[in-house]
Amino acid sequence: SQQGEEDPQALSIQEGENATMNCSYKTSINNLQWYRQNSGRGLVHLILIRSNEREKHSGRLRVTLDTSKKSSSLLITASRAADTASYFCATDAAQGGKLIFGQGTELSVKP
Amino acid sequence: EPEVTQTPSHQVTQMGQEVILRCVPISNHLYFYWYRQILGQKVEFLVSFYNNEISEKSEIFDDQFSVERPDGSNFTLKIRSTKLEDSAMYFCASSGHWTSSYNEQFFGPGTRLTVL
Repeated sequence: SQQGEEDPQALSIQEGENATMNCSYKTSINNLQWYRQNSGRGLVHLILIRSNEREKHSGRLRVTLDTSKKSSSLLITASRAADTASYFCATDAAQGGKLIFGQGTELSVKP
Repeated sequence: EPEVTQTPSHQVTQMGQEVILRCVPISNHLYFYWYRQILGQKVEFLVSFYNNEISEKSEIFDDQFSVERPDGSNFTLKIRSTKLEDSAMYFCASSGHWTSSYNEQFFGPGTRLTVL
């Protein structure tokens, strides 16, 4: 079954630096999405990139997708302490609309 | 901005008891989902629901689980006889389109279920 796996598992940076998180998956996908989760809270949708797209931007977020390598990256530029959270990638299953989540990257941005 | 809501935010129950978790999806969405997240683990798919019936369910979603859309706004998850291992955060999600190209799912804040 397809599976999103993020790396690194944990990332600690200083405010103002860029943060890059990677996600790999195993089977063909239709879309890949990134979500943020603050500790013990709900999942906030950040961005969706379709399988026929290579790059997408939303504010300080930049997502890339390489379907040949079955990988995606999420770049957060000029990070802020408020960006501290866990970040998950999620891929569409081959059939239907369910999402398959990875283990997540725990990002800590120090002021 | 429309959002998915869930109640209660925290539910504590005794093993063997029935619980009902409630969700109000975004009003113009057609597809509804339940996921769960055991503490420290990744989010897992439970079930998807469309047109008043289950579209897909995972191995986790056994006979102890059921879902219902009793009216035009609520979407519920029932666990008939809770087990200790059902303790988790349960998330409801909704989306407007079934085709995978438009599968942006919006999640509620979750219900933390604690089974004692």
